[in-house]
Amino acid sequence: DVKVTQSSRYLVKRTGEKVFLECVQDMDHENMFWYRQDPGLGLRLIYFSYDVKMKEKGDIPEGYSVSREKKERFSLILESASTNQTSMYLCASSLWGQGVINEKLFFGSGTQLSVL
Amino acid sequence: AQTVTQSQPEMSVQEAETVTLSCTYDTSESDYYLFWYKQPPSRQMILVIRQEAYKQQNATENRFSVNFQKAAKSFSLKISDSQLGDAAMYFCAYRSRGNEKLTFGTGTRLTIIP
Repeated sequence: DVKVTQSSRYLVKRTGEKVFLECVQDMDHENMFWYRQDPGLGLRLIYFSYDVKMKEKGDIPEGYSVSREKKERFSLILESASTNQTSMYLCASSLWGQGVINEKLFFGSGTQLSVL
Repeated sequence: AQTVTQSQPEMSVQEAETVTLSCTYDTSESDYYLFWYKQPPSRQMILVIRQEAYKQQNATENRFSVNFQKAAKSFSLKISDSQLGDAAMYFCAYRSRGNEKLTFGTGTRLTIIP
């Protein structure tokens, strides 16, 4: 069964801390995504990676960075956490390409981050 | 930029009844895909149904079907014979062909009344 694993289900951090959110997929997918989910705002794309060491900004990249050193792992980094980054963070992966099979995103179970 | 709008933040339906969730989108593209994702309390996002814009026939998956109106840029989800397990957040999403990224709507929380 396909799997996208996020390292933490719940996380509590202090303002100013450096925070790492980790995501691992076991499907050999080229694409990996980080979304942020907030009530009334839906899912908003933070960053996207289509290959190792490749990244592309999404709609709300400010305050975040990412790292993809290996194909299966995509990390989201909050350099200096702030209270407005309290949110649910969802990682997803998909195959790259135009075919039918790659139309589906596979999601992790999310990390609920609270910044105090 | 493409936008996806879900105008119903919350909906409720009696068990075994039918409910329709609304979604509209804005795009200048002619070739794209539309999706409905379900997020139950477990938070695990699940693909419910997808529609390719060049196909006129509405997609159907068991109790789930869509009403795709390309000219009106409307993509509603109909759930027939609602079950307690259908209770979840439902997100409408759009992706243009050639673009790997999905744009999501704000979601509709569906409650099933026993």
